[in-house]
Amino acid sequence: EAAVTQSPRSKVAVTGGKVTLSCHQTNNHDYMYWYRQDTGHGLRLIHYSYVADSTEKGDIPDGYKASRPSQENFSLILELASLSQTAVYFCASKAFSYEQYFGPGTRLTVL
Amino acid sequence: AQSVTQPDARVTVSEGASLQLRCKYSSSVTPYLFWYVQYPRQGLQLLLKYYSGDPVVQGVNGFEAEFSKSNSSFHLRKASVHWSDSAVYFCAVRIASSSFSKLVFGQGTSLSVVP
Repeated sequence: EAAVTQSPRSKVAVTGGKVTLSCHQTNNHDYMYWYRQDTGHGLRLIHYSYVADSTEKGDIPDGYKASRPSQENFSLILELASLSQTAVYFCASKAFSYEQYFGPGTRLTVL
Repeated sequence: AQSVTQPDARVTVSEGASLQLRCKYSSSVTPYLFWYVQYPRQGLQLLLKYYSGDPVVQGVNGFEAEFSKSNSSFHLRKASVHWSDSAVYFCAVRIASSSFSKLVFGQGTSLSVVP
């Protein structure tokens, strides 16, 4: 079964600060995704990647950057964190099948 | 545009009772559909999926779902719920282009199983 881990599991950041969320997968999946989940809402796609050293914008990329330095690692970067970016962030990976495997999530609070 | 709607934000059922969680999708083609479950403070786990064929698909832990093209629905069912089924359930549809595919999620249904 796919193993996707995320770090940190929770973080408190200050407005205007830089935040980096990390994701690591161990199953040689080509595709990786970053989603955010807001209370009472489903997941929305921020960025994705289908190969190392390349990332693509998802549905809500504004205020976020992504980095895929290797097949296993995918980071989400908030250069200037804002209050509206308080949310739970999920990373997911996928092979050629259609199923995505999710990490446990990172709870980010921006104060 | 393809989308998913889960009309019930919260559902409460008694332990041992049957369950149906509703999901409506919008798609111009036969979609690939999924149900995921999210237990408290955990990531999403796949319950079941539908790609084609038999419209009733079986999943883990006694869950099943039925695809209906005429009703544009993919409702989740379970014959007898257990307190451990309390969680948030998400319906999702796969959207694909020539080079990329993604999942679009519904808003989720929070299920509470009470004694």
